[in-house]
Amino acid sequence: SQTIHQWPATLVQPVGSPLSLECTVEGTSNPNLYWYRQAAGRGLQLLFYSVGIGQISSEVPQNLSASRPQDRQFILSSKKLLLSDSGFYLCAWGRGDAETQYFGPGTRLLVL
Amino acid sequence: GENVEQHPSTLSVQEGDSAVIKCTYSDSASNYFPWYKQELGKGPQLIIDIRSNVGEKKDQRIAVTLNKTAKHFSLHITETQPEDSAVYFCAAAGGSYIPTFGRGTSLIVHP
Repeated sequence: SQTIHQWPATLVQPVGSPLSLECTVEGTSNPNLYWYRQAAGRGLQLLFYSVGIGQISSEVPQNLSASRPQDRQFILSSKKLLLSDSGFYLCAWGRGDAETQYFGPGTRLLVL
Repeated sequence: GENVEQHPSTLSVQEGDSAVIKCTYSDSASNYFPWYKQELGKGPQLIIDIRSNVGEKKDQRIAVTLNKTAKHFSLHITETQPEDSAVYFCAAAGGSYIPTFGRGTSLIVHP
């Protein structure tokens, strides 16, 4: 069966510091991978998605970036965090030929 | 692009009552409609989905109905229990494999 991991689970960072969140998927190959942000405990905002290694599509311009160095690894980064970057970050995966997305446990980021 | 509206934003029911959450979508090309349940501090979990060639799908106490003509779909939960309390999201997807999510409904089931 497939499993998706995210770490860290919780992160408190000062404004201006760098960020690296990691997501890995087990039990499948060549998945589509997605990064979402959830602010204010509600809506899901798609940040990035990837259909293959090195292929990244950005949905919202901001100070975040994403990379996919390996088939089942997806990384969300920032060089300098802003207060507005605080939120709940969710990674999701889906099969390349299907629309269903499966979410990870999330990382709660607090920027102070 | 696709636009998904979800209502109500908050739904409060007594244990044992039924709960209905409704969503509308704008893109007639959308053909896949999943529903997710998100418990506090956790990632959303897929609970049921339906494709446009089916009008209704049931799984124990939950069911989803789809009206393609009117472009709306609904989640029905019968005999609600306190553990059903969570935020529920609907979504609609077409050929791009990237779903558009509703803004969520906070369901509160009072014992």
